[in-house]
Amino acid sequence: DIQMTQSPSSLSASVGDRVTITCRASQSTNNYLNWYQQKPGKAPKLLIYAASSLQSGVPSRFSGSGSGTDFTLSISSLQPEDFATYYCQQSYTSPYTFGQGTNLQIK
Amino acid sequence: QVQLQDSGPGLVKPSETLSVTCTVSGGSISDNYWTWIRQPPGKGLEWIGYIYSSGTTNYNPSLKSRATMSVDMSKNQFSLKLTSVTAADTAVYYCARLIGSGWWSFDYWGQGTLVTVS
Repeated sequence: DIQMTQSPSSLSASVGDRVTITCRASQSTNNYLNWYQQKPGKAPKLLIYAASSLQSGVPSRFSGSGSGTDFTLSISSLQPEDFATYYCQQSYTSPYTFGQGTNLQIK
Repeated sequence: QVQLQDSGPGLVKPSETLSVTCTVSGGSISDNYWTWIRQPPGKGLEWIGYIYSSGTTNYNPSLKSRATMSVDMSKNQFSLKLTSVTAADTAVYYCARLIGSGWWSFDYWGQGTLVTVS
């Protein structure tokens, strides 16, 4: 199985800050890398697919980059509604696996 | 707009079979991949498996062959059965669509149904 490791596990930031979350895969995922946002009590929401493609309807302050085994999710200017848990997920090979999550909290 | 509604029993006894169902509306279940993902309380996400509308399946080996998925085209539904459950299977179970087009991602999700094994 491909192991996905996110860092940091938790992060405190303020509205207006730029934040970056990192995801590292145990082997190359060939850019089959997705990012999801999950708020408490809600289902995850797809933000980024194929490492850097913005899902329809997602604000442009979200962006993804990276290749091979190292990927990042960036939020350019944090809004109050962005405080949530973020997960990366590889879909290169089965079983599809998720990172452990990054909890983004208000400072 | 595709919508998914998952439903389940809420409580299942250890060693019994867990059954959850997802009803798809706003689109056809045909020609799509459908998947189940679970999340134990306070923990991360685990992919369980997918089923194509034709019935082709792919399961996570971690479930040790306890999972079976099926599709009911007449009801626009798909289902998951998980046998011999233990407390470790307590989780919110989400259904989702696995979209292809060259890149695989879960684009539409149900609201999730909590199943407690006790």
